[in-house]
Amino acid sequence: EVQLVESGGGLVQPGGSLRLSCAASGFTFSDHYMDWVRQAPGKGLEWVGRTRNKANSYTTEYAASVKGRFTISRDDSKNSLYLQMNSLKTEDTAVYYCARVERLQYYFDYWGQGTLVTVSS
Amino acid sequence: DIQMTQSPSTLSASVGDRVTITCRASQSISSWLAWYQQKPGKAPKLLIYKASSLESGVPSRFSGSGSGTEFTLTISSLQPDDFATYYCQQYNSYPLTFGQGTKVEIK
Repeated sequence: EVQLVESGGGLVQPGGSLRLSCAASGFTFSDHYMDWVRQAPGKGLEWVGRTRNKANSYTTEYAASVKGRFTISRDDSKNSLYLQMNSLKTEDTAVYYCARVERLQYYFDYWGQGTLVTVSS
Repeated sequence: DIQMTQSPSTLSASVGDRVTITCRASQSISSWLAWYQQKPGKAPKLLIYKASSLESGVPSRFSGSGSGTEFTLTISSLQPDDFATYYCQQYNSYPLTFGQGTKVEIK
């Protein structure tokens, strides 16, 4: 059974940093691209970014709203995905989901339960 | 960026109704479109991929159609478990983008 479990959310002040983790199990993690998607309270879904797999050199893509502030990484030996968030703004307050990208067609086929990040003074 | 626009934003319907949600892309995305269902406090769940392919385990009352810029999600006979918010998403190009969502409410 595919499982994605996010952790690391919490309350942080504007300008601060936070690192989210996503522990994956039930599939060959190293084969898949992995993404982060967020959802501000009461709002819709917003794509944050992607890390490709080793075969594609672990290259990354980011939304313009987080580029230069957020960094996505992965550790295939630990079946884990990470989101390093720096220079946080109040508008980064959201539930952050990790999502598995289907291998051949690149849609999101599995999602974690999400972790809440609140940026507030 | 490709803008995804869903209509309506809210839909009131009764159990047994046929429901159709429309998603329009600001430029052609071929068939690279997915539909997700989200219930309050839960993660989104994949329903449809490549515009019309039903994800394994999803009831056959859900169907998708369209290509290019116009897409629809249809629920043939609305069930109590279907009251939720539905999102379309394009995966044709970066940045990946979602529609704003359609909330299906009980009439």
